[in-house]
Amino acid sequence: EVQLVESGGGLIQPGGSLRLSCAASGFTFSNYRMHWVRQAPGKGLVWVSRINSDGISTNYADSVKGRFTISRDNAKNTLYLQLNSLKAEDTAVYYCARDMYSDFWSGLFDPWGQGTLVTVSS
Amino acid sequence: DIQMTQSPSSLSASVGDRVTITCRASQGISLSLAWYQQNPGKAPKLLLYAASRLESGVPSRFSGSGSGTDYTLTITSLQPEDFATYYCQQYYTLPLTFGPGTKVDIK
Repeated sequence: EVQLVESGGGLIQPGGSLRLSCAASGFTFSNYRMHWVRQAPGKGLVWVSRINSDGISTNYADSVKGRFTISRDNAKNTLYLQLNSLKAEDTAVYYCARDMYSDFWSGLFDPWGQGTLVTVSS
Repeated sequence: DIQMTQSPSSLSASVGDRVTITCRASQGISLSLAWYQQNPGKAPKLLLYAASRLESGVPSRFSGSGSGTDYTLTITSLQPEDFATYYCQQYYTLPLTFGPGTKVDIK
């Protein structure tokens, strides 16, 4: 069974840093591109970042560019998101999601992890 | 960025009803349109992609159509587990963007 399990969320002060992890199992992690998507409380879904299978190519939403860094460790089957210079508006559930296909970028999210909540507040 | 809009933002329906949700992109997206279902407190789940292709395991009461900028999700004979929020998403270009969601609740 394909499974994605996020961790690392919590309460952090504005300006602080946090690293989220997403542990993958049930598939060949190194073959798949991966994404982070977030959802502020009671709000909609917002794509945050993506990374290709070898970790070389990355893309970010403008709202997080320069503050967040996506990375991966294929030996550990784990995806990361480093969150720096956090703002109140970064408060959200952060989901990791696998890109649907292994052969090419699709931009489709399937499946998703259960999410980890990041709360930025003093 | 491609802006996605959905209508209605919410609707009330009964079990067995037929429900239609509309999604519009700010520019043509060439069928690069997906639909997700999200139940409260849960992660979203992919239902359809390429505007009309059903993801494996998704019941056939879900269907999609559309082209260009305008797309539709239809649920025939609404079931209790279908009461959820539905999001459309374009994957035509970066940044990947979602519609604001349509909440389907029980009448």
